[in-house]
Amino acid sequence: GQQVMQIPQYQHVQEGEDFTTYCNSSTTLSNIQWYKQRPGGHPVFLIQLVKSGEVKKQKRLTFQFGEAKKNSSLHITATQTTDVGTYFCAGNFGNEKLTFGTGTRLTIIP
Amino acid sequence: DGGITQSPKYLFRKEGQNVTLSCEQNLNHDAMYWYRQDPGQGLRLIYYSQIVNDFQKGDIAEGYSVSREKKESFPLTVTSAQKNPTAFYLCASSRGFYNTGELFFGEGSRLTVL
Repeated sequence: GQQVMQIPQYQHVQEGEDFTTYCNSSTTLSNIQWYKQRPGGHPVFLIQLVKSGEVKKQKRLTFQFGEAKKNSSLHITATQTTDVGTYFCAGNFGNEKLTFGTGTRLTIIP
Repeated sequence: DGGITQSPKYLFRKEGQNVTLSCEQNLNHDAMYWYRQDPGQGLRLIYYSQIVNDFQKGDIAEGYSVSREKKESFPLTVTSAQKNPTAFYLCASSRGFYNTGELFFGEGSRLTVL
């Protein structure tokens, strides 16, 4: 089946620093989704990107979809303690089931 | 409010016992999913159902069974054949299966085998 690779697996940042997680696929995606899972919680949908080169912003979060629709990134500016959690990307390949990346666990050092 | 309800939230089981986890949604979604999550790990797909009365094995179906007799319900049975069942189980649903749109997750069921 199709795979979506996500890096890094862990990221520890000082509060106020920026954070970025990356997802890569070897084949073209129809779209990509991003989810956040707080510690002890369940994944919650953040956004879906569909168009090549698309960039969307949600307050301090910036989501990008690559021109070739094979990679995506989530960037958080000036992290806060509320950003703690695991961020997952999930890729739709059109004719296959949604495939989740392995996640990036973000911890914040106050 | 629309959403997905999983129960129980916590469950303890003795080795050799089957246990059934409940998942109910009132979102009128066609597709439903069961994922397993181990500590510090990602989501692994156990079973999915694209439509009522139909379901398919995911990546780690061995030792699990499901049914989809009603659109709103997708229970998961963890059988005694599952060698390492202690995990966090998440149910989810979406409008469709291909190009799913947003997945809605339940709050999860944490199973511990004693």
